[in-house]
Amino acid sequence: DARVTQTPRDKVTEMGQEVTMRCQPILGHNTVFWYRQTMMQGLELLAYFRNRAPLDDSGMPKDRFSAEMPDATLATLKIQPSEPRDSAVYFCASAPGQTKPFSYEQYFGPGTRLTVT
Amino acid sequence: GIQVEQSPPDLILQEGANSTLRCNFSDSVNNLQWFHQNPWGQLINLFYIPSGTKQNGRLSATTVATERYSLLYISSSQTTDSGVYFCAGGYTGANSKLTFGKGITLSVRP
Repeated sequence: DARVTQTPRDKVTEMGQEVTMRCQPILGHNTVFWYRQTMMQGLELLAYFRNRAPLDDSGMPKDRFSAEMPDATLATLKIQPSEPRDSAVYFCASAPGQTKPFSYEQYFGPGTRLTVT
Repeated sequence: GIQVEQSPPDLILQEGANSTLRCNFSDSVNNLQWFHQNPWGQLINLFYIPSGTKQNGRLSATTVATERYSLLYISSSQTTDSGVYFCAGGYTGANSKLTFGKGITLSVRP
């Protein structure tokens, strides 16, 4: 049963600390997305990659957030330094994209619940 | 960018009732999904439906792309249907991005 995995599932940290969230997309999917969900803003796209290349990170605060794909099986989202307003659930999703079977359907991981105190 | 409007924002049903959830888009989309977020926060794929009609058990969905809306039908609702239903759309011409609506909170009472 192919699925997107994310670690950690929960993270509590103090303001100013670095946070790293990891995502393993479904094997063979070439498009990976990072979303953030808060009560106030709902689900927002932060960044996405195709074939490991960043295509759009316009939704991400550039001064403290960074997203990378070191290889096809790992995507990372880092926050440095973290702030209380970063508290949210961060979701990773992957899609087959233009690899066969051709589809843009996104599949979401379970999310990382981040609390910054 | 695309604006996604979902209605109604909240819905309370008695178990066994039917319901229709609506999603309107401000612009043309050719990439459209419906999700159910369960009480544990997991986003479950319901339908990938850029156009046409699909059915899966008690759920079905219809997208009328030319009129920029999609409908999700829930028949014979069950308490396990409770949660938040999101639609999300985009246009794949330039990218694969999805814009999400604010969601519809459904409560099914026994």
